[in-house]
Parts: sequence; structure tokens; C-alpha cells
Amino acid sequence: DIQMTQSPSSLSASVGDRVTITCRASQGISNYLAWFQQKPGKAPKSLIYAASSLQSGVPSQFSGSGSGTDFTLTISSLQPEDFATYYCQQYKSYPYTFGQGTKLEMK
Amino acid sequence: QVQLVQSGAEVKKPGSSVKVSCKASGGTFRSYTFSWVRQAPGQGLEWMGRIIPIFGTANYAQKFQGRVTITADESTSTAYMELSSLRSEDTAVYYCAREGGQFDYWGQGTLVTVSS
Repeated sequence: DIQMTQSPSSLSASVGDRVTITCRASQGISNYLAWFQQKPGKAPKSLIYAASSLQSGVPSQFSGSGSGTDFTLTISSLQPEDFATYYCQQYKSYPYTFGQGTKLEMK
Repeated sequence: QVQLVQSGAEVKKPGSSVKVSCKASGGTFRSYTFSWVRQAPGQGLEWMGRIIPIFGTANYAQKFQGRVTITADESTSTAYMELSSLRSEDTAVYYCAREGGQFDYWGQGTLVTVSS
């Protein structure tokens, strides 16, 4: 199975900050990488697919980059509604696997 | 607009089975695959398997092989996930997700509680 490792596991930041979350795959996955946002009690929401493509309707402050084994999710200017948990996921091969999550909290 | 609506919460006894449904609307059901992902309380996301309705074929995570069955009914645009031999560790929220190359839409989640 491909292991996905996110860092950091948690992060404190303020509104307006620029935030970067990283995700590393245990083997190359090309660009078969997605990012999701999840708020408490809610289903995950798709943000980014194919490593850098923005899902329709997602604000442009979100961006993704990377290929192979190393990927990043960047939020250019944090908004109050962005405080949530973020997950990366590889869909290169079965079983699809997720990172352990990064909890983004308000400082 | 696309919606995935799942069946309601379940409480099950250890050793029993549960079947969760996921009804899709707003898209062409047979053009997509549907995955099931679960989330134990306070934990992360875990992919269980997926089905390709047009072929009726399913792929499962090794961890659940033999205990999970994912099916689809094109006539009602509904995907199903059945998990058997339930144990307390299966207590989780179960999500379906539409996969059009990537997971673009998710159901609202179904809480399955396994308790004696």
C-alpha cells in the first residue's frame, strides 16, 4: 500500500496568514493526488485534484502543487471559514490511501 | 445539481451485518464509479472499496476483503455497501463518494454504531 504522510499534524494560524501543508507519498504517484477539507460533523469537501487543479467552486486562495512523491497545499490568505482539517489522498493505485490529516486551528 | 443521499443511522449488534445505501441524483449514474470511505470517531479517512456500476465490478481494500460487499442498482441510481461480522471497531461514519477521475461529490455520511 502507498503510505501518505502529512505535515504538520496540526497548525495554528491567524486570519490573513499564508499556510502550507505538505504531503509525501511512500512511492511515486505522478499527479494522482487530491486534497480535501473537512469541518466537524460534515463530509469531506473536494478542493484540489490532479495535484494542482482547483475543483469547481473552490476559492482561488487554495492552490496545490507537486508531482511524484512530494506535494503541497497552500492557502494564500486564511479566511475564518478555512479553519478545518485537511487531508491528502492518492488515487494512483488501490487501495486509495489518505494522509492522517492536518488540523488547522485559529491562533 | 449532483447529490448523494445516504440512508440513516444504524445501531447493530456485534456479529451482525449492516447495509448502507447511497442514492445519486443530478448526474449520469453509470458514467461514474462510487467509493465507500469510513471515519472512526476522532480518526482519519479510510477507503474501503469502490464499484463501477456500468460493469458491476468492485475493488476492495485488503483489510475489508471477505467482509465488505459493494453493489450498485442502475435502475435506482443507488450504490450499496454491506459490511458483515461487525465488531465494535467498525463503529464509524460511512461515506459514499462519486469518483469521476477523483472524488468530486460525497454523501452526507451514515453513522453505524456497533454495540452489544
